[in-house]
Amino acid sequence: SSELTQDPAVSVALGQTVRITCQGDSLRSYYASWYQQKPGQAPVLVIYGKNNRPSGIPDRFSGSSSGNTASLTITGAQAEDEADYYCNSRDSSGNHLRVFGGGTKLTVL
Amino acid sequence: EVQLVESGGVVVQPGGSLRLSCAASGFTFDDYAMHWVRQAPGKGLEWVSLISWDGGSTYYADSVKGRFTISRDNSKNSLYLQMNSLRAEDTALYYCAKDINPYYYDSSGFHDAFDIWGQGTMVTVSS
Repeated sequence: SSELTQDPAVSVALGQTVRITCQGDSLRSYYASWYQQKPGQAPVLVIYGKNNRPSGIPDRFSGSSSGNTASLTITGAQAEDEADYYCNSRDSSGNHLRVFGGGTKLTVL
Repeated sequence: EVQLVESGGVVVQPGGSLRLSCAASGFTFDDYAMHWVRQAPGKGLEWVSLISWDGGSTYYADSVKGRFTISRDNSKNSLYLQMNSLRAEDTALYYCAKDINPYYYDSSGFHDAFDIWGQGTMVTVSS
């Protein structure tokens, strides 16, 4: 199996830039996808692949990857970005299993 | 409108069985692999299982392997999760999710994602 590690909580001042990271061995081989989840709602895909945003996701969300670390960056954080964020990738064993990070609670101050 | 609607969640005793369903609409269901993802109360997301577009390949998290079975009926645009030998730790909100890649696109891990999610169905395992 594989593990993805995220910081449990991160905060950012309104309008500032914040980076949420995800670490794991599988990220040396695969790109991460990122999901935003607000209380009582289903997760929403915000970034996938090298740096792809689904339709409707603001361009202040971007993704990057280096070594064993994937990052989600929000440039100019808005109040509505306050949420839990989860990364996901394939398992490092080379099969089709998937694994989520533990999630990061983002607070916009 | 692309939509996934889960059903079948109930309160069940430990050791019991349950089948969850997910009805898909608004896209060509049999072009895409499908997943189940769960979330225990107050906890993070946990990937549970994957089934290929044609049902020919299935994959499971270690935590459910041998107890859960994923299946699909493409004629009914439906996904299922048969859950046996249920444990208290299986208590969670169960989401079905659509794979972003159609069957003819080999992502090889470079383009993976769950692009559409249902609202979830709650399973509680308790005596």
